[in-house]
Amino acid sequence: SAVISQKPSRDICQRGTSLTIQCQVDSQVTMMFWYRQQPGQSLTLIATANQGSEATYESGFVIDKFPISRPNLTFSTLTVSNMSPEDSSIYLCSVATQNIQYFGAGTRLSVL
Amino acid sequence: GNSVTQMEGPVTLSEEAFLTINCTYTATGYPSLFWYVQYPGEGLQLLLKATKADDKGSNKGFEATYRKETTSFHLEKGSVQVSDSAVYFCALSNFGNEKLTFGTGTRLTIIP
Repeated sequence: SAVISQKPSRDICQRGTSLTIQCQVDSQVTMMFWYRQQPGQSLTLIATANQGSEATYESGFVIDKFPISRPNLTFSTLTVSNMSPEDSSIYLCSVATQNIQYFGAGTRLSVL
Repeated sequence: GNSVTQMEGPVTLSEEAFLTINCTYTATGYPSLFWYVQYPGEGLQLLLKATKADDKGSNKGFEATYRKETTSFHLEKGSVQVSDSAVYFCALSNFGNEKLTFGTGTRLTIIP
């Protein structure tokens, strides 16, 4: 299994600002994923982040809005840029190990 | 592409009732199937999984059988408890470490 720590656990932000979410894993993993869960909705994959390469974004998500860093095999960040109220969601990171994905507790973001 | 269709919620049951949450899928090849659970205010936890046809995943009294002929992975529990109140997500992935495709989630409430 994998233990994933996400920071911050929640935040309230003003529109037009940016927030960087950190994801730390207790073991080295190749693939990390970032998901968004809008209120009352299911999870939607934002991007896949592999160490040493550019993140791969899903349709509807762009790097300018959601830049991702993956500096090593245990850490990644997701930035939500130029936020609007529509960005209010839970953002979760996950890692894949031994054919299973494990999730962090998520970051609950509210944009005013 | 891949898709997961999950039973609409919310579902409300009395304690000790029998639970079934339906899940059907569309996928190419032979996907792995998962049930994840999200307790209030928390991230997702893997509940159980199955990686090939006729496999039965089980955990905490919950069971689901991978039925390739009906492309289904229904979640069952014989006697639910108040502590089972949560949102349940059915999901699939191809080749294990690939991205997860989630169903819409089913909110389950158990009343004493």
